[in-house]
Amino acid sequence: DGGITQSPKYLFRKEGQNVTLSCEQNLNHDAMYWYRQDPGQGLRLIYYSQIVNDFQKGDIAEGYSVSREKKESFPLTVTSAQKNPTAFYLCASSFDRRGYNSPLHFGNGTRLTVT
Amino acid sequence: AQSVTQLDSQVPVFEEAPVELRCNYSSSVSVYLFWYVQYPNQGLQLLLKYLSGSTLVKGINGFEAEFNKSQTSFHLRKPSVHISDTAEYFCAVSEAGFQKLVFGTGTRLLVSP
Repeated sequence: DGGITQSPKYLFRKEGQNVTLSCEQNLNHDAMYWYRQDPGQGLRLIYYSQIVNDFQKGDIAEGYSVSREKKESFPLTVTSAQKNPTAFYLCASSFDRRGYNSPLHFGNGTRLTVT
Repeated sequence: AQSVTQLDSQVPVFEEAPVELRCNYSSSVSVYLFWYVQYPNQGLQLLLKYLSGSTLVKGINGFEAEFNKSQTSFHLRKPSVHISDTAEYFCAVSEAGFQKLVFGTGTRLLVSP
């Protein structure tokens, strides 16, 4: 079955440590996205990538970094510069690299807790 | 820039009753509209989408939505809900030519027996 795999499901880190969240897709989709979800705030776009070796900042990119070395993979690093990293992180992909009329397919998320 | 408003943060309803979840958007250009559902501790799943054509869109699990351009709305409806419909529902909008999909803050649907 094709889909998006995010790992791990739960992640705990100490403040000041960088942490990398994994996202892999086998849907052969061009575009990939990272969203952050906080209670009562909906989903906010962190970064997105339309093709390999290229990515764009979303609305809340500060304190995060990404890479897109392979079409299937789009890892997100939460750096120590991110002031409030505790959240639920969702990775998504879409078939059309233009993205705007192509539905998103989501992974099951990673819940990050930083203490 | 586009934005999405879901005025109801929570909608309680009894099983087998009808439900409407409201969504309003703001945009000055052509839009594409989506409804997603999220079950606890999971990702989002597409319920339905409006890209063009008929303004009444049917989706999975018996849900439908109507695009109303004059009122800039895309309300989600179901004539008879089940306990299993308890979840959070997100409305989202994108504009032609822009990569970004903008989400509303979500509406939690609580179905009780």
